Amino acid sequence: QSVLTQPPSASGTPGQRVTISCSGSSSNIGSNYVYWYQQLPGTAPKLLIYRNNQRPSGVPDRFSGSKSGTSASLAISGLRSEDEADYYCAAWDDSLSEVFGGGTKLTVL
Amino acid sequence: QLQLQESGPGLVKPSETLSLTCTVSGGSISSSSYYWGWIRQPPGKGLEWIGSIYYSGSTYYNPSLKSRVTISVDTSKNQFSLKLSSVTAADTAVYYCARHSVDVDTATYYFDYWGQGTLVTVSS
Repeated sequence: QSVLTQPPSASGTPGQRVTISCSGSSSNIGSNYVYWYQQLPGTAPKLLIYRNNQRPSGVPDRFSGSKSGTSASLAISGLRSEDEADYYCAAWDDSLSEVFGGGTKLTVL
Repeated sequence: QLQLQESGPGLVKPSETLSLTCTVSGGSISSSSYYWGWIRQPPGKGLEWIGSIYYSGSTYYNPSLKSRVTISVDTSKNQFSLKLSSVTAADTAVYYCARHSVDVDTATYYFDYWGQGTLVTVSS
């Protein structure tokens, strides 16, 4: 059972906007930055969003992140087939641990 | 470009110790502001942080695994290693090593470079 809570699945059609939620607590999301990772099938995770809403170089601006209180969300606009992947939220916890969400499998219909 | 590569046995017997090494290339493991971590992913499941180490030897461990985990660093070889003792089938997973960067403004951490991962199966 993961410390951060994500929906197990999400879906959308090409061109749509999809959001994935991530719920935590005051000791992790509530007091620290949220990070998002994208894991394409059969590959290692890749940093997608850092500091709640910043994109590393090379990540399309179709991906955006936000945080409010103890929850965060990842939005993908203009959905494309290559966005089909697993998405994980993560945060540092004040107990000196890295915590992950259980992951959300995004299907592009 | 920083690269990380895991190595070690792909099969470990129950009750024995799992040992993996991560070799870092394209950068120094002794750089400040970086820890170096291990994460695992059981087949079909999510990510679990195991622990992280600084080049000085300072460590953070997942409380749920702490009693069985030892992470060490060898700066002369630009490597860090994982030992997980008393393994069971539940420890079967893809094991990733990654750079655990420090966000200096908030002293929080995130993984920005990952190895490709190595599957370790626990079975007799």
